[in-house]
Amino acid sequence: GNSVTQMEGPVTLSEEAFLTINCTYTATGYPSLFWYVQYPGEGLQLLLKATKADDKGSNKGFEATYRKETTSFHLEKGSVQVSDSAVYFCALFYGQNFVFGPGTRLSVLP
Amino acid sequence: EAGVAQSPRYKIIEKRQSVAFWCNPISGHATLYWYQQILGQGPKLLIQFQNNGVVDDSQLPKDRFSAERLKGVDSTLKIQPAKLEDSAVYLCASSPTTGWEQYFGPGTRLTVT
Repeated sequence: GNSVTQMEGPVTLSEEAFLTINCTYTATGYPSLFWYVQYPGEGLQLLLKATKADDKGSNKGFEATYRKETTSFHLEKGSVQVSDSAVYFCALFYGQNFVFGPGTRLSVLP
Repeated sequence: EAGVAQSPRYKIIEKRQSVAFWCNPISGHATLYWYQQILGQGPKLLIQFQNNGVVDDSQLPKDRFSAERLKGVDSTLKIQPAKLEDSAVYLCASSPTTGWEQYFGPGTRLTVT
């Protein structure tokens, strides 16, 4: 079946550090890929998405590139801020189903 | 544009009691999802509606969980009877149609004691 694997957290970084959160997927076809973010006490929000191979999604300084050859969609940001502290979920959509990864908690220290 | 509304925000019940959650999606969104998010895990799809028809309920524990979406708008999710392992946040999301961006509500945190 379809599944999403993310790097385990928590990830703790200092402000202005470089961020990478790894995400790999297993799917029977070519899914659409998403990153969602959940800030403390809030619901999930779409951060970025990519619908086909080699597409790059970007938003708020975050980027992720759909890599078909490595079945990956790693999330990156060049300089994190304290306000980026949240839980980040990688997800795929294929057929009629969304599948979410377990989430990676990011804490950014001032 | 108003977001997805859910109520209640918090609920504490004893095991074997029943509970119901309500969701009002974004106006005009045809697809509605209910997810269960256990602490430390990602959301798990329970049921997906397209208008008022069920698209996928393969992970819904049908012996105790039920959901309906009357008139293709609001939806309710019910648990009867509740078990300790049902303690989780129940998320409702909607999208214009299947596969498009989902918009999530704030969730209902259920604690079963």
